[in-house]
Amino acid sequence: LAKTTQPISMDSYEGQEVNITCSHNNIATNDYITWYQQFPSQGPRFIIQGYKTKVTNEVASLFIPADRKSSTLSLPRVSLSDSDVYYCLVGDIISNFGNEKLTFGTGTRLTIIP
Amino acid sequence: DGGITQSPKYLFRKEGQNVTLSCEQNLNHDAMYWYRQDPGQGLRLIYYSQIVNDFQKGDIAEGYSVSREKKESFPLTVTSAQKNPTAFYLCASSPRYRQGSNEQYFGPGTRLTVT
Repeated sequence: LAKTTQPISMDSYEGQEVNITCSHNNIATNDYITWYQQFPSQGPRFIIQGYKTKVTNEVASLFIPADRKSSTLSLPRVSLSDSDVYYCLVGDIISNFGNEKLTFGTGTRLTIIP
Repeated sequence: DGGITQSPKYLFRKEGQNVTLSCEQNLNHDAMYWYRQDPGQGLRLIYYSQIVNDFQKGDIAEGYSVSREKKESFPLTVTSAQKNPTAFYLCASSPRYRQGSNEQYFGPGTRLTVT
């Protein structure tokens, strides 16, 4: 997986839109960008995946600029239950096996304030 | 968690004993994975399997073993050779491998404590 950089933590107030940005300067041509959410003591949950431009589903939107060197996960109107860890991953495990920070890093810990 | 089950949720063992963690999926996914998560850390890949009867070591395979005799099942054995086995273990599966894509579905996890 291409190395990614995302903020260690973020705070936001309930009801606001939250944007979490991930940098992936060495993304490969075939790589998709995938975001996961992890609740405490549970397995990560797949949120959204995209290749370019914008992807939207019932949970979130993913914005990817033309150079694909970064991506932004947008969570609309967050609630207290959105206080979790969010992981950004690029590429797949198998074809990039052996690279530094191969799998899920420490992610971004999002804290929602009432 | 969806169609992936892991059992048990909590497991306690004495040091020196082997222990097997169960992972079953009914999603008809080809690939399955095992991860380990330590407190405050991300996930590290232990083993993965792209197809039945085939599996590959991940980053931290030492002290672990797996089998993939059926598409639905990918049990992980934590052997006595694993120096620090106490951790949260997560199983995941994904549809047929697609280059560049990382779309995995996780089970609820098993928290193993070895004393």
